[in-house]
Amino acid sequence: RKEVEQDPGPFNVPEGATVAFNCTYSNSASQSFFWYRQDCRKEPKLLMSVYSSGNEDGRFTAQLNRASQYISLLIRDSKLSDSATYLCVVKDGGATNKLIFGTGTLLAVQP
Amino acid sequence: DAGVIQSPRHEVTEMGQEVTLRCKPISGHDYLFWYRQTMMRGLELLIYFNNNVPIDDSGMPEDRFSAKMPNASFSTLKIQPSEPRDSAVYFCASSLAGSSYEQYFGPGTRLTVT
Repeated sequence: RKEVEQDPGPFNVPEGATVAFNCTYSNSASQSFFWYRQDCRKEPKLLMSVYSSGNEDGRFTAQLNRASQYISLLIRDSKLSDSATYLCVVKDGGATNKLIFGTGTLLAVQP
Repeated sequence: DAGVIQSPRHEVTEMGQEVTLRCKPISGHDYLFWYRQTMMRGLELLIYFNNNVPIDDSGMPEDRFSAKMPNASFSTLKIQPSEPRDSAVYFCASSLAGSSYEQYFGPGTRLTVT
């Protein structure tokens, strides 16, 4: 079983749609969680951290369910510029700075 | 401020040749990471350094791969001899201890081994 699993997609949605991505992780000791965004042929960049109580940044909402070891990202009113691969990321449990990346979910927003 | 700098951006080489990838982390960052990304396996951590010291190299695929960090502003990843299955995008990233674990990635080196 992979440490971080995501639906690879692609998700093809029209502009203005709401889209949700899910992710599960296997290490129950993991403490920190993130979503990174990677544009085509570019490097990954931090989109947002995921907090236990859930958090929102504009059109983006991230949620964490520790009991189910499940993380989600919701994008409302999607824009063409949201088209990218979204990487679910989990900090390795323990005193390390290792991040474990999911393989990513591809989003294509259509005009 | 300059971000993470990697060179070369593209490398095409023949099987059996030595390849050296270079990275300059963000000034003041004390963690440096080398990743490899392929379609099949996604983004894999190869090795990371803290204050120039290798901490975890468990992701290094085999002895053909080696990494060094002689000082706080420079690191290399070397593949010798290279093989076609090493073809991938290699990213270097850096971060600051005590931060939110955000890692800043360089633009990557796209390696093709023929």
